[in-house]
Amino acid sequence: EAGVAQSPRYKIIEKRQSVAFWCNPISGHATLYWYQQILGQGPKLLIQFQNNGVVDDSQLPKDRFSAERLKGVDSTLKIQPAKLEDSAVYLCASSINTGLAGYEQYFGPGTRLTVT
Amino acid sequence: GIQVEQSPPDLILQEGANSTLRCNFSDSVNNLQWFHQNPWGQLINLFYIPSGTKQNGRLSATTVATERYSLLYISSSQTTDSGVYFCAATSGTYKYIFGTGTRLKVLA
Repeated sequence: EAGVAQSPRYKIIEKRQSVAFWCNPISGHATLYWYQQILGQGPKLLIQFQNNGVVDDSQLPKDRFSAERLKGVDSTLKIQPAKLEDSAVYLCASSINTGLAGYEQYFGPGTRLTVT
Repeated sequence: GIQVEQSPPDLILQEGANSTLRCNFSDSVNNLQWFHQNPWGQLINLFYIPSGTKQNGRLSATTVATERYSLLYISSSQTTDSGVYFCAATSGTYKYIFGTGTRLKVLA
């Protein structure tokens, strides 16, 4: 079974530029999560989708961040314009939502963003 | 919302030693996971354990939900066990909150 796929793996941009990250969850997983992990901290949830609907986006900086999950499968996270403090690893995870361990999350390799 | 605290923040072990990592949470949990983040940043699932005890090789975990804590045991540690260990939990909703992690270094 293929895991969660993310691209690109690394990205370096200048402040005020825009950037987009892509995530393809494990096949059949209904819930998709985007996290931001700043160096030395634990991951912080940005947005959570159930199929193609948003379950929680309370910590998404909506003035600059946007995310979509069209057709309830893969998802994109966009930052426009980027700030220096957006430098972080962006992690995507998915969970199946059925069965005893339905909310067990599986993570992709992450995208390391550096804003200069 | 739920608070998740991990201890110790840092741990240095000699290869072959055993260790116990702790995760305290402020409310009842309906999901709890332990992860190992390797030096390349990948989060690897260790256990999904909202209650009870599980074992996988040299690793085992116990969650005592009524007392609001979970423990991760690593026996006969190896250098490849180095990295950061996170616990993450949900309470009421399905929004996971991560602890700040335990940074483990195993010396050869």
